[in-house]
Amino acid sequence: AQSVTQPDIHITVSEGASLELRCNYSYGATPYLFWYVQSPGQGLQLLLKYFSGDTLVQGIKGFEAEFKRSQSSFNLRKPSVHWSDAAEYFCAVVHTGGFKTIFGAGTRLFVKA
Amino acid sequence: DARVTQTPRHKVTEMGQEVTMRCQPILGHNTVFWYRQTMMQGLELLAYFRNRAPLDDSGMPKDRFSAEMPDATLATLKIQPSEPRDSAVYFCASGPGRQHETQYFGPGTRLLVL
Repeated sequence: AQSVTQPDIHITVSEGASLELRCNYSYGATPYLFWYVQSPGQGLQLLLKYFSGDTLVQGIKGFEAEFKRSQSSFNLRKPSVHWSDAAEYFCAVVHTGGFKTIFGAGTRLFVKA
Repeated sequence: DARVTQTPRHKVTEMGQEVTMRCQPILGHNTVFWYRQTMMQGLELLAYFRNRAPLDDSGMPKDRFSAEMPDATLATLKIQPSEPRDSAVYFCASGPGRQHETQYFGPGTRLLVL
C-alpha cells in the first residue's frame, strides 16, 4: 500500500536560515508527488508537484523540491526562510492513473526572529 | 480568482443533532473530495466524487455520514446524529477531473459537537 512519511512533526528555524523538510514515500512505481502548505485557519495550497522529467522542481514562494528515486524521497527546500513561511507542510502522493491522494502527517514549521 | 467555498465556516452543535456542510467546487471542476482533519488523525479522506458520482467513500463512517452531489455546483456532507468525536475541521477540495491532479482546497468548516 502507498504511504507517505514525514519524519519531523515540527521544525524550528531562524528567519533567513535555510530549510529542508523531509518526505519519504512507499510506492512500487513512479508516483506523482506534491507538497502543500496550510496556513493557520486555512485550507491547503499547492506549493509544487512532480510528475516526470527534471527531478528538481520549482514551486511558489521560493520553494523547491528534489525527487530522488533511489532514496524514495521528495524533500522540500528553501534557501532563506521568511517569517510568513510559518505553517504546516504536507507531502502527498497519487498513484499512477488515480485520483486518490495520500497525505503525510504534516510538518509544522516555526520561524524564530 | 476562482476558489472553493464552504459553508458554514464554523458550527457548534449538540450531540445528536444533524449537521450539514456545503461545498461549492470551482466552476468546471468535476472531482470533489471531502477530508476531515484532526490533531490525532491528521488529514483523512472521507469520500470523493467524479462527475457527481461517488468513486470512493470507504473512509466515511457509513452509519452516520453521507455525502452527495445534488448538482455540479454543490456537494454536501451530512452527519446524523452527530457525536463529540466528530469534532474536526472538514475540508472540501475540487479538481479538474484529470488523473493525479492538483486539488484546490476550501477554507474548511470547523465543527464542534458538544
